[in-house]
Amino acid sequence: EVQLLESGGGLVQPGGSLRLSCAASGFTFSSYAMSWVRQAPGKGLEWVSAISGSGGSTYYADSVKGRFTISRDNSKNTLYLQMNSLRAEDTAVYYCAKDRATAGPNGYMDVWGKGTTVTVSS
Amino acid sequence: DIQMTQSPSSLSASVGDRVTITCRASQGISNSLAWYQQKPGKAPKLLLYAASRLESGVPSRFSGSGSGTDYTLTISSLQPEDFATYYCQQYYSTPLLTFGGGTKVEIK
Repeated sequence: EVQLLESGGGLVQPGGSLRLSCAASGFTFSSYAMSWVRQAPGKGLEWVSAISGSGGSTYYADSVKGRFTISRDNSKNTLYLQMNSLRAEDTAVYYCAKDRATAGPNGYMDVWGKGTTVTVSS
Repeated sequence: DIQMTQSPSSLSASVGDRVTITCRASQGISNSLAWYQQKPGKAPKLLLYAASRLESGVPSRFSGSGSGTDYTLTISSLQPEDFATYYCQQYYSTPLLTFGGGTKVEIK
Protein backbone atom coordinates (compact mmCIF):
# COMPACT_ATOMS: atom_id res chain seq x y z
CA GLU A 1 0.00 0.00 0.00
CA VAL A 2 1.27 3.44 -0.93
CA GLN A 3 1.64 5.54 2.21
CA LEU A 4 3.03 8.83 3.43
CA LEU A 5 3.44 9.57 7.12
CA GLU A 6 4.42 13.01 8.37
CA SER A 7 6.01 13.76 11.72
CA GLY A 8 7.85 16.54 13.49
CA GLY A 9 5.09 19.06 14.03
CA GLY A 10 4.57 20.85 17.32
CA LEU A 11 4.45 24.14 19.16
CA VAL A 12 7.30 26.56 18.48
CA GLN A 13 7.89 30.19 19.37
CA PRO A 14 8.05 32.90 16.69
CA GLY A 15 11.53 32.97 15.21
CA GLY A 16 12.10 29.32 16.06
CA SER A 17 12.82 26.32 13.89
CA LEU A 18 11.24 22.95 13.22
CA ARG A 19 12.04 20.05 10.92
CA LEU A 20 9.23 18.02 9.41
CA SER A 21 9.71 14.51 8.04
CA CYS A 22 7.59 12.45 5.68
CA ALA A 23 8.23 8.70 5.52
CA ALA A 24 7.18 7.09 2.26
CA SER A 25 6.40 3.45 1.54
CA GLY A 26 4.82 1.30 -1.13
CA PHE A 27 6.33 3.00 -4.20
CA THR A 28 9.70 3.80 -5.77
CA PHE A 29 10.31 7.01 -3.84
CA SER A 30 13.16 8.32 -5.97
CA SER A 31 11.03 8.23 -9.14
CA TYR A 32 8.59 10.87 -7.95
CA ALA A 33 8.71 14.56 -7.19
CA MET A 34 7.26 15.42 -3.81
CA SER A 35 5.58 18.50 -2.41
CA TRP A 36 4.63 20.08 0.90
CA VAL A 37 1.20 21.70 1.05
CA ARG A 38 -0.16 23.46 4.12
CA GLN A 39 -3.56 24.46 5.43
CA ALA A 40 -3.99 27.15 8.05
CA PRO A 41 -6.84 26.64 10.54
CA GLY A 42 -10.16 27.07 8.77
CA LYS A 43 -8.47 28.11 5.53
CA GLY A 44 -7.74 26.64 2.12
CA LEU A 45 -4.77 24.77 0.72
CA GLU A 46 -1.46 26.50 0.03
CA TRP A 47 1.41 24.92 -1.88
CA VAL A 48 4.67 25.43 0.02
CA SER A 49 7.53 23.64 -1.71
CA ALA A 50 8.44 20.88 -4.15
CA ILE A 51 11.50 18.77 -4.94
CA SER A 52 12.38 16.64 -7.92
CA GLY A 53 12.85 12.88 -7.59
CA SER A 54 16.62 13.14 -7.55
CA GLY A 55 16.55 16.04 -5.12
CA GLY A 56 18.54 18.15 -7.53
CA SER A 57 15.82 20.74 -8.09
CA THR A 58 13.86 22.54 -5.41
CA TYR A 59 11.06 25.09 -5.57
CA TYR A 60 9.39 27.37 -3.02
CA ALA A 61 6.39 29.60 -2.62
CA ASP A 62 7.33 33.24 -2.15
CA SER A 63 5.84 33.15 1.35
CA VAL A 64 8.52 30.71 2.58
CA LYS A 65 11.46 31.36 0.26
CA GLY A 66 14.65 31.96 2.21
CA ARG A 67 13.18 30.50 5.41
CA PHE A 68 12.22 26.93 4.49
CA THR A 69 14.39 24.24 2.90
CA ILE A 70 13.05 21.09 1.29
CA SER A 71 15.23 18.01 0.95
CA ARG A 72 14.97 14.27 0.58
CA ASP A 73 16.98 11.16 1.41
CA ASN A 74 16.13 8.57 -1.23
CA SER A 75 18.08 5.89 0.64
CA LYS A 76 15.70 6.36 3.55
CA ASN A 77 12.54 7.06 1.49
CA THR A 78 12.08 10.24 3.48
CA LEU A 79 11.17 13.82 2.60
CA TYR A 80 12.05 16.75 4.86
CA LEU A 81 11.06 20.35 5.38
CA GLN A 82 13.40 22.48 7.48
CA MET A 83 11.50 25.53 8.69
CA ASN A 84 13.43 28.46 10.14
CA SER A 85 12.43 31.96 11.27
CA LEU A 86 8.90 30.74 11.87
CA ARG A 87 6.04 33.22 12.01
CA ALA A 88 2.53 33.06 13.39
CA GLU A 89 1.22 32.88 9.83
CA ASP A 90 3.10 29.60 9.31
CA THR A 91 0.67 27.93 11.73
CA ALA A 92 -1.00 25.16 9.74
CA VAL A 93 -1.38 21.48 9.08
CA TYR A 94 1.47 20.47 6.78
CA TYR A 95 0.86 17.69 4.28
CA CYS A 96 3.41 15.91 2.17
CA ALA A 97 2.13 14.76 -1.20
CA LYS A 98 3.39 12.59 -4.06
CA ASP A 99 3.28 13.59 -7.71
CA ARG A 100 0.95 11.36 -9.66
CA ALA A 101 3.36 10.87 -12.55
CA THR A 102 7.07 10.22 -12.69
CA ALA A 103 9.65 12.61 -14.13
CA GLY A 104 8.08 15.57 -12.38
CA PRO A 105 7.33 17.87 -10.77
CA ASN A 106 4.11 17.49 -12.75
CA GLY A 107 2.00 19.39 -10.29
CA TYR A 108 -0.94 17.12 -9.42
CA MET A 109 -0.73 14.87 -6.44
CA ASP A 110 -2.35 11.48 -5.97
CA VAL A 111 -1.14 10.43 -2.53
CA TRP A 112 -1.20 12.60 0.58
CA GLY A 113 -0.13 12.03 4.13
CA LYS A 114 -2.45 12.66 7.06
CA GLY A 115 -0.63 15.84 7.97
CA THR A 116 1.31 17.17 10.92
CA THR A 117 0.31 20.29 12.85
CA VAL A 118 2.68 23.21 13.31
CA THR A 119 1.70 25.94 15.76
CA VAL A 120 3.80 29.08 15.99
CA SER A 121 2.94 30.99 19.13
CA SER A 122 4.55 32.55 22.17
CA ASP B 1 1.38 34.27 -10.29
CA ILE B 2 -1.75 32.53 -11.56
CA GLN B 3 -4.75 33.18 -9.34
CA MET B 4 -7.58 30.66 -9.09
CA THR B 5 -11.10 31.80 -8.21
CA GLN B 6 -13.74 29.26 -7.26
CA SER B 7 -17.45 29.84 -7.08
CA PRO B 8 -19.57 29.51 -5.17
CA SER B 9 -17.64 29.41 -1.88
CA SER B 10 -20.40 27.25 -0.45
CA LEU B 11 -23.62 25.64 -1.55
CA SER B 12 -26.46 23.62 -0.06
CA ALA B 13 -27.80 20.68 -1.99
CA SER B 14 -29.85 17.53 -1.51
CA VAL B 15 -28.95 13.93 -2.20
CA GLY B 16 -29.58 13.26 -5.88
CA ASP B 17 -29.01 16.86 -6.97
CA ARG B 18 -26.72 17.81 -9.82
CA VAL B 19 -23.99 20.10 -8.51
CA THR B 20 -21.64 22.31 -10.50
CA ILE B 21 -18.59 24.13 -9.15
CA THR B 22 -16.70 26.69 -11.23
CA CYS B 23 -13.02 27.56 -11.22
CA ARG B 24 -11.58 30.52 -13.12
CA ALA B 25 -7.87 31.10 -13.70
CA SER B 26 -6.34 34.56 -14.03
CA GLN B 27 -4.76 33.45 -17.31
CA GLY B 28 -5.13 30.50 -19.66
CA ILE B 29 -3.90 27.23 -18.14
CA SER B 30 -4.37 24.82 -21.06
CA ASN B 31 -6.38 22.23 -19.12
CA SER B 32 -3.60 21.94 -16.49
CA LEU B 33 -6.17 21.67 -13.73
CA ALA B 34 -6.83 19.20 -10.94
CA TRP B 35 -9.77 18.85 -8.58
CA TYR B 36 -9.53 17.58 -5.01
CA GLN B 37 -12.09 16.60 -2.40
CA GLN B 38 -11.39 17.18 1.28
CA LYS B 39 -13.45 15.99 4.22
CA PRO B 40 -13.07 17.54 7.69
CA GLY B 41 -9.86 16.47 9.42
CA LYS B 42 -8.70 14.50 6.39
CA ALA B 43 -6.15 14.99 3.64
CA PRO B 44 -7.25 16.09 0.18
CA LYS B 45 -8.10 13.38 -2.33
CA LEU B 46 -7.38 13.72 -6.05
CA LEU B 47 -10.57 13.44 -8.13
CA LEU B 48 -9.59 14.63 -11.60
CA TYR B 49 -6.55 15.92 -13.45
CA ALA B 50 -5.97 17.40 -16.89
CA ALA B 51 -9.33 19.08 -16.32
CA SER B 52 -11.39 16.02 -17.24
CA ARG B 53 -9.43 12.83 -16.55
CA LEU B 54 -10.95 10.83 -13.73
CA GLU B 55 -8.52 9.45 -11.18
CA SER B 56 -8.64 5.69 -10.72
CA GLY B 57 -11.28 4.60 -8.22
CA VAL B 58 -13.24 7.86 -8.35
CA PRO B 59 -16.96 7.36 -9.11
CA SER B 60 -18.11 8.29 -12.60
CA ARG B 61 -20.68 10.75 -11.21
CA PHE B 62 -17.74 13.16 -10.96
CA SER B 63 -16.76 14.86 -14.18
CA GLY B 64 -14.75 17.87 -15.25
CA SER B 65 -14.78 20.15 -18.23
CA GLY B 66 -13.54 23.49 -19.47
CA SER B 67 -10.81 25.18 -21.40
CA GLY B 68 -8.71 28.32 -21.38
CA THR B 69 -9.44 30.05 -18.11
CA ASP B 70 -12.81 28.52 -17.13
CA TYR B 71 -13.35 25.04 -15.70
CA THR B 72 -16.16 23.16 -13.97
CA LEU B 73 -16.51 20.18 -11.68
CA THR B 74 -19.89 18.44 -11.91
CA ILE B 75 -21.36 15.86 -9.59
CA SER B 76 -24.20 14.32 -11.56
CA SER B 77 -26.16 12.90 -8.61
CA LEU B 78 -24.96 13.99 -5.18
CA GLN B 79 -24.44 11.16 -2.73
CA PRO B 80 -24.21 11.40 1.10
CA GLU B 81 -20.45 10.73 0.99
CA ASP B 82 -19.93 13.69 -1.39
CA PHE B 83 -20.55 16.35 1.24
CA ALA B 84 -17.12 17.89 1.53
CA THR B 85 -15.00 20.83 0.40
CA TYR B 86 -13.73 20.83 -3.17
CA TYR B 87 -10.60 22.60 -4.41
CA CYS B 88 -9.34 23.28 -7.88
CA GLN B 89 -5.59 23.58 -8.46
CA GLN B 90 -3.66 24.77 -11.50
CA TYR B 91 -0.37 23.19 -12.48
CA TYR B 92 0.20 25.13 -15.69
CA SER B 93 2.96 27.00 -13.88
CA THR B 94 4.30 23.83 -12.25
CA PRO B 95 6.08 23.47 -9.96
CA LEU B 96 4.62 26.72 -8.70
CA LEU B 97 1.09 25.60 -7.87
CA THR B 98 -1.99 27.51 -6.78
CA PHE B 99 -5.27 26.33 -5.35
CA GLY B 100 -8.71 27.86 -5.51
CA GLY B 101 -10.30 29.03 -2.30
CA GLY B 102 -12.55 25.98 -2.01
CA THR B 103 -16.25 25.22 -2.29
CA LYS B 104 -18.00 23.68 0.68
CA VAL B 105 -20.89 21.41 -0.30
CA GLU B 106 -23.37 21.10 2.53
CA ILE B 107 -26.57 19.17 3.08
CA LYS B 108 -29.77 21.11 2.42
